[in-house]
Amino acid sequence: QVQLQESGPGLVKPSETLSLTCTVSGVSINHNYWSWIRQSPGKGLEWIGYIYYSGSTNYNPSLRSRVTISVDTSNNQFSLKLNSVTAADTAVYYCARHSGEVAVAHHYFDYWGQGTLVTVSS
Amino acid sequence: SYALTQPLSVSVALGQTARITCGGNNIGSKSVHWYQQRPGQAPVLVIFRDNNRPSGIPERFSGSKSGNTATLTISRAQAGDEADYYCQVWDSSTSVAFGGGTKLTVL
Repeated sequence: QVQLQESGPGLVKPSETLSLTCTVSGVSINHNYWSWIRQSPGKGLEWIGYIYYSGSTNYNPSLRSRVTISVDTSNNQFSLKLNSVTAADTAVYYCARHSGEVAVAHHYFDYWGQGTLVTVSS
Repeated sequence: SYALTQPLSVSVALGQTARITCGGNNIGSKSVHWYQQRPGQAPVLVIFRDNNRPSGIPERFSGSKSGNTATLTISRAQAGDEADYYCQVWDSSTSVAFGGGTKLTVL
């Protein structure tokens, strides 16, 4: 079965870079889109960005200047880097798989990781 | 940016029907998807492309759209349906947009 697992430091200092990896199992990362989504404590879901297995990306305009998403097809992983973090970036970070519709405009998230809490604090 | 508006909370009596709305400009032209999130858990897809249920989701969950509003309907509400519910669409301005979420309470 398809499984996604986030990994990375749970504590990051302000102004530093948050780095997370999502390891995908049960399916190849190829020929699909993959997203990062976060949820601040007690708040709603915020989409961060997606990557296609080929490496093409699309980011939330509100985070675009600080975000980089990359893919490692050989290890079936994709990663998130968010730089210059502040306390406002404290959140549970989820990785998720897009559904397989041809048109991106119809995509939804059919598999999610369990999420990992990242706290920004000195 | 594209805004999706959901009520903060909805209450429903056990066994009755709950309706959670999601409003957005021109939402009728977009595919709307719904997620259920229980406390401490990752979101789970309950409705995709307006009115389709993934395998394993009870028939009690259904979706519809009318005008500028999409609605998630939960029939014969159970205690286990208590959760936060989010709608989601794709929009050319923001790519992915989520509603603010609705907390469903089953009384």
